[in-house]
Amino acid sequence: DTGVSQDPRHKITKRGQNVTFRCDPISEHNRLYWYRQTLGQGPEFLTYFQNEAQLEKSRLLSDRFSAERPKGSFSTLEIQRTEQGDSAMYLCASSEGRNEQFFGPGTRLTVL
Amino acid sequence: DAKTTQPPSMDCAEGRAANLPCNHSTISGNEYVYWYRQIHSQGPQYIIHGLKNNETNEMASLIITEDRKSSTLILPHATLRDTAVYYCIATPLWNAGNMLTFGGGTRLMVKP
Repeated sequence: DTGVSQDPRHKITKRGQNVTFRCDPISEHNRLYWYRQTLGQGPEFLTYFQNEAQLEKSRLLSDRFSAERPKGSFSTLEIQRTEQGDSAMYLCASSEGRNEQFFGPGTRLTVL
Repeated sequence: DAKTTQPPSMDCAEGRAANLPCNHSTISGNEYVYWYRQIHSQGPQYIIHGLKNNETNEMASLIITEDRKSSTLILPHATLRDTAVYYCIATPLWNAGNMLTFGGGTRLMVKP
């Protein structure tokens, strides 16, 4: 399968713990995006990369959140000191330039 | 991005055309209309986009009114697998490659 993949698909953690999610984009895509989606709402933009450069960050991305794309391929999203309000689906997408975005299946985070 | 307004839900009979409306009365001249859909437990999927001319691809047709204040996504022969939330997004082409702003979308239920 050559689509966007995300790992893990589900994560349950206790409040205060750190979690890290991984996204592998479609191989030739230079742009990679992270979104968050809570139940019943549309996805909300968090951040995006062009190659390894993080070009934009939403105000939703508090200082507890950090994203990296060290070699311009896969990306990681880390949440430190998780809170119950962080419970959501975290979606990754990739695109070739400004073309349409292809989304992965998401990582569902539950913070107890 | 221009604000878009969509009905929260719609029903459609299997095999019939599904016509999903979107109002974007404040759209500016450089903003495209994009449609994505999200099937339950999956990431969003790109469907189609257009500026002012009607567009058609293998998935759907997009009809944009002459004044560009509204558009309709048409699924010509809806199947049960088309049951999903459909999002209409108005954004400049340069921004579609940066971030997408999803609203609440329309939940389409295709019934047998």
